[in-house]
Amino acid sequence: SQKIEQNSEALNIQEGKTATLTCNYTNYSPAYLQWYRQDPGRGPVFLLLIRENEKEKRKERLKVTFDTTLKQSLFHITASQPADSATYLCALDPASNTGKLIFGQGTTLQVKP
Amino acid sequence: GAVVSQHPSWVICKSGTSVKIECRSLDFQATTMFWYRQFPKQSLMLMATSNEGSKATYEQGVEKDKFLINHASLTLSTLTVTSAHPEDSSFYICSAGGARSGGEETQYFGPGTRLLVL
Repeated sequence: SQKIEQNSEALNIQEGKTATLTCNYTNYSPAYLQWYRQDPGRGPVFLLLIRENEKEKRKERLKVTFDTTLKQSLFHITASQPADSATYLCALDPASNTGKLIFGQGTTLQVKP
Repeated sequence: GAVVSQHPSWVICKSGTSVKIECRSLDFQATTMFWYRQFPKQSLMLMATSNEGSKATYEQGVEKDKFLINHASLTLSTLTVTSAHPEDSSFYICSAGGARSGGEETQYFGPGTRLLVL
């Protein structure tokens, strides 16, 4: 069956450290993966998109990797801050370029000062 | 940047009544909008794709007669939960495509509508 999985356990790290979140998928062949941030009671906010022919993409303190062999994407936040505390969702378009997104269950990150 | 609004932000209604939720793209046109539902501590589940000027397409297991979608213009889609029941209580979120961020196409999400059916 098709699945997109993120670690459902909350990730607690100390301020200043690097947070690494994992997204694994099964039986999909996405042309790209997206990462979103969601705060409680709010809609998701787009962070980064990485295409299948890109191994890595960066935006300020954020870095995303995409390994189509492992069927995995890693999301890194360097020099983490308490304001980075939120739930992070990975998403993929199951049929490529339809615009429809299938989301993982999200990983909650807690950055402690 | 691209902004999507939803109205109302929260609504409480009695069982059996219908509730309409509006989704607007404020500064761009969206030929396609998407409706998601999110239960507490769960991920977003795609309900349907709303296409301007044509019928919506629903995901498997979503009742089209219960969740009526109308995409009347390039900036407005509405979701009507008909004859709402307590199990319809959820967080409903819309998104709109067609906007670009740093050269990448993506979807922009509304702030969500919290529905509580008593």
